[in-house]
Amino acid sequence: DSGVTQTPKHLITATGQRVTLRCSPRSGDLSVYWYQQSLDQGLQFLIQYYNGEERAKGNILERFSAQQFPDLHSELNLSSLELGDSALYFCASSQRAGAKNIQYFGAGTRLSVL
Amino acid sequence: GESVGLHLPTLSVQEGDNSIINCAYSNSASDYFIWYKQESGKGPQFIIDIRSNMDKRQGQRVTVLLNKTVKHLSLQIAATQPGDSAVYFCAENEGTGNQFYFGTGTSLTVIP
Repeated sequence: DSGVTQTPKHLITATGQRVTLRCSPRSGDLSVYWYQQSLDQGLQFLIQYYNGEERAKGNILERFSAQQFPDLHSELNLSSLELGDSALYFCASSQRAGAKNIQYFGAGTRLSVL
Repeated sequence: GESVGLHLPTLSVQEGDNSIINCAYSNSASDYFIWYKQESGKGPQFIIDIRSNMDKRQGQRVTVLLNKTVKHLSLQIAATQPGDSAVYFCAENEGTGNQFYFGTGTSLTVIP
């Protein structure tokens, strides 16, 4: 168990809808990362938050947004969902924000858009 | 963007044999690398890391080798066990950035 908790484990929704994925980092970790993993691609970095502030952005669509709350949990919001958004979404956390920090991953949320 | 690729998408080994999983990276500025293991239905699990000032690092039954000249990374698993069956990813980090770039993964199957 990595100590990173993601909910829900599975999510099934329809195109055009909006969903929220939740992540609680490991105790003491200030940095949270979101990744998307689809069948034909590896892990794609979406966005990073550190202590409540956005720190780095990757291949995140404008329809997607995230935030990190004062208690350090994070939410990833996906809106106007399309079939192609079906994927595994992982959250990871690390102690600090910078490079050379091991990221510990949660078990993921499997999103199915029908 | 960065390019981190794996030479083989699948690898099958006999239980007890040693496994070698390879990874090529394209950014010569990358100076930190991590190997992750992902079992079916789970998130990636940290195995071992290495910084670019080293060319070899050993863990429990695993060894990572880094060849900066040819931008190649390998993960060696000794005495492979059925529990080692998983997808293995290498990830690279370029020193000033927070972002890790992951390869597409190699699926390791251990034959009992």
